[in-house]
Amino acid sequence: NAGVTQTPKFQVLKTGQSMTLQCAQDMNHEYMSWYRQDPGMGLRLIHYSVGAGITDQGEVPNGYNVSRSTTEDFPLRLLSAAPSQTSVYFCASSYNSYYEQYFGPGTRLTVT
Amino acid sequence: AQSVTQPDIHITVSEGASLELRCNYSYGATPYLFWYVQSPGQGLQLLLKYFSGDTLVQGIKGFEAEFKRSQSSFNLRKPSVHWSDAAEYFCAVAASGGSYIPTFGRGTSLIVHP
Repeated sequence: NAGVTQTPKFQVLKTGQSMTLQCAQDMNHEYMSWYRQDPGMGLRLIHYSVGAGITDQGEVPNGYNVSRSTTEDFPLRLLSAAPSQTSVYFCASSYNSYYEQYFGPGTRLTVT
Repeated sequence: AQSVTQPDIHITVSEGASLELRCNYSYGATPYLFWYVQSPGQGLQLLLKYFSGDTLVQGIKGFEAEFKRSQSSFNLRKPSVHWSDAAEYFCAVAASGGSYIPTFGRGTSLIVHP
C-alpha cells in the first residue's frame, strides 16, 4: 500500500494563478480531509469529505474548492492564489472521521 | 463546539529525562482523543489514541497518555526521552459537539538537549 500520496511536494505560484493539489489514498477510506499548517497555528481544517460525492467546509475554506468523485481521490483547488495561502498543505484519510488519520507527506506552497 | 488547548508551545528536556506534554479539551461528553507526532519535513503519525475503557493508554515509541475526565485532560508522557523524540506533537479530539470531525491543537515543539 502506498497509503496517502500528495503531489506536488513543492509549488511556487504567482498571485492570481490557480492550481490543484492532488491527494490519493489506496486504503478504501471513506473520510478524507485537507489541512493547512502555519507556524504557531497548528493544523486547520480546510475541507473534508465523508464519502464520494459528499464534501463539506472546515474552519478555513475560503479560496479553496474540493470535489470527491471517487473514493480514492480528493483534490484541492486554489481558485486564485493569494500570498495568505502560502502554507504547508496536508491531506489525510481515515475509515471514519473519529478514527486514526493517515497523513500524506505534505505540499509546501509559496505564493509570491 | 470542541476545542483543544496545548498550553506549551515549546518544551526543552535533557536526554534521559522524563517528559509530560499537556493537552486540555473542552467538551462535556467523552471524546475520542489522539496524540500525533510530526518529525521535521514529514506528515503526522499517530502515537496513541483513547476511545473508551482503561484511561491509561500505551502507544508507540514508549509513549503513554492518561485520560482524566475530571480535568478534561489527555497528557502525553514518556519516562526517558531520547534525542530522536525531538519533534512537534499534536493533540487532537473528535466529539459529538464537532460532528466527530477532529480538531487539532496548535502543537508543542519538543527540543531535546544531549
